[in-house]
Amino acid sequence: DAGVIQSPRHEVTEMGQEVTLRCKPISGHDYLFWYRQTMMRGLELLIYFNNNVPIDDSGMPEDRFSAKMPNASFSTLKIQPSEPRDSAVYFCASTTMTKGIQYFGAGTRLSVL
Amino acid sequence: QQPVQSPQAVILREGEDAVINCSSSKALYSVHWYRQKHGEAPVFLMILLKGGEQKGHDKISASFNEKKQQSSLYLTASQLSYSGTYFCGTDYQGAQKLVFGQGTRLTINP
Repeated sequence: DAGVIQSPRHEVTEMGQEVTLRCKPISGHDYLFWYRQTMMRGLELLIYFNNNVPIDDSGMPEDRFSAKMPNASFSTLKIQPSEPRDSAVYFCASTTMTKGIQYFGAGTRLSVL
Repeated sequence: QQPVQSPQAVILREGEDAVINCSSSKALYSVHWYRQKHGEAPVFLMILLKGGEQKGHDKISASFNEKKQQSSLYLTASQLSYSGTYFCGTDYQGAQKLVFGQGTRLTINP
């Protein structure tokens, strides 16, 4: 299995631009999670989906952030407009109810200038 | 609601033992332990479920004290490859949602 695949690995953009991060979960996994990691705030859960339905988005910092999961094999996290404080590493993870083990993708390092 | 890990950092010589603690102020359903190396993604180590037994593999094991809402990760005879930041993730509802502690940075020197 290829594992959780995220793209791009690195993204550098200017303040005000739209940013879209992509994630392909492990085939057969029915839970998908988006996390943000910074030195100051650590590893924070932003939103998670079960069977493509958003279950808890209480960690989404503000309306500039949105996430979708149109099908079982693809999810996006969008930031519009981006701000310098959004600079972080964004991880996607997936799992199944029976396993409970979250498998993380390699992450996207976002820099907003 | 974020669990508290201690210590924040520890430096050991190869072959020494380490204990990392994770405490919660709320009742726990399960505790997950992950290790993250610099520039990489967190990697799963083990899950401890409420009412479950102590887990372990190789020289890494963990325990879960339900009464104290605490979990401890034990690393014995540490190896250089054990270096990294260890995170505990707490699940309060059995709903797959994890809240991670701030991490414990472990450095193993030769």
